[in-house]
Amino acid sequence: GAVVSQHPSWVICKSGTSVKIECRSLDFQATTMFWYRQFPKQSLMLMATSNEGSKATYEQGVEKDKFLINHASLTLSTLTVTSAHPEDSSFYICSARVPGKLAEHYNEQFFGPGTRLTVL
Amino acid sequence: AQSVTQLDSHVSVSEGTPVLLRCNYSSSYSPSLFWYVQHPNKGLQLLLKYTSAATLVKGINGFEAEFKKSETSFHLTKPSAHMSDAAEYFCVVSYSGNTGKLIFGQGTTLQVKP
Repeated sequence: GAVVSQHPSWVICKSGTSVKIECRSLDFQATTMFWYRQFPKQSLMLMATSNEGSKATYEQGVEKDKFLINHASLTLSTLTVTSAHPEDSSFYICSARVPGKLAEHYNEQFFGPGTRLTVL
Repeated sequence: AQSVTQLDSHVSVSEGTPVLLRCNYSSSYSPSLFWYVQHPNKGLQLLLKYTSAATLVKGINGFEAEFKKSETSFHLTKPSAHMSDAAEYFCVVSYSGNTGKLIFGQGTTLQVKP
C-alpha cells in the first residue's frame, strides 16, 4: 500500500515552454503532498507543500509564479514549471503524507519515482 | 534550527564487510527519524524508521539503526555489504508539529568494492 506515482518519468522541452508534472497517490487519499527538487549528487530540497483545496506553501527562495502547484483532488497534485529555462533542469520528486495519525505511518512520507526535466 | 548531519559524504567498503553510515540530528522533542536509499535516477525507498518505539530499529535488506538520545545519533549499519547496496543514503528527521516537513541530511554515497 501507499504507492505514489509521477508522470512523466522524464521530459525534454525547449526553453520558454511550460511543463506539467503529475503526482498521484494510487491507493490512499493524500491531503498533503510535497514537491522536492534534486540537483545531481545533492540532497533533496523542499520546494513547496501542497494542500488539497488550498494554496500551496512555498519555501523561501522558490518562485511561486514560476513553479505553479495545484492540488485539486485528494489523489492528484501537479507542478507546472512555467517558461522553463536550462537552469530549471533537475530531478523533481513528489511525496505524499498518509493522513491522520496512524501509528504505522506517523510522520512518514511516500515518495514518487521522480521526473527528470531537461530544458534545452 | 532543526537539522540533521550526515558525517560522511562518501563511504567505501568491500563486499562482505560491515557498513556504518553516521547521522546526527539536532536535539528536539519527539523526533521521527528515517533512513532512505536512492539508486541512480530513482525515487527514495524507505529502509527503516524510528518513531519513539524500540530504539534499535530493523529495516529491509539487513539494515539496522539505533536511536541514541544521549548522543543525538541515528547511525545506519549492516553486518555485510552487498554490491547491490551501492547507492545514495539519506538520513531524514521529522519533528512533531512541523507540518509534516522532512529535513534531509546531505546524503552519503556508499561504494561497495568487489
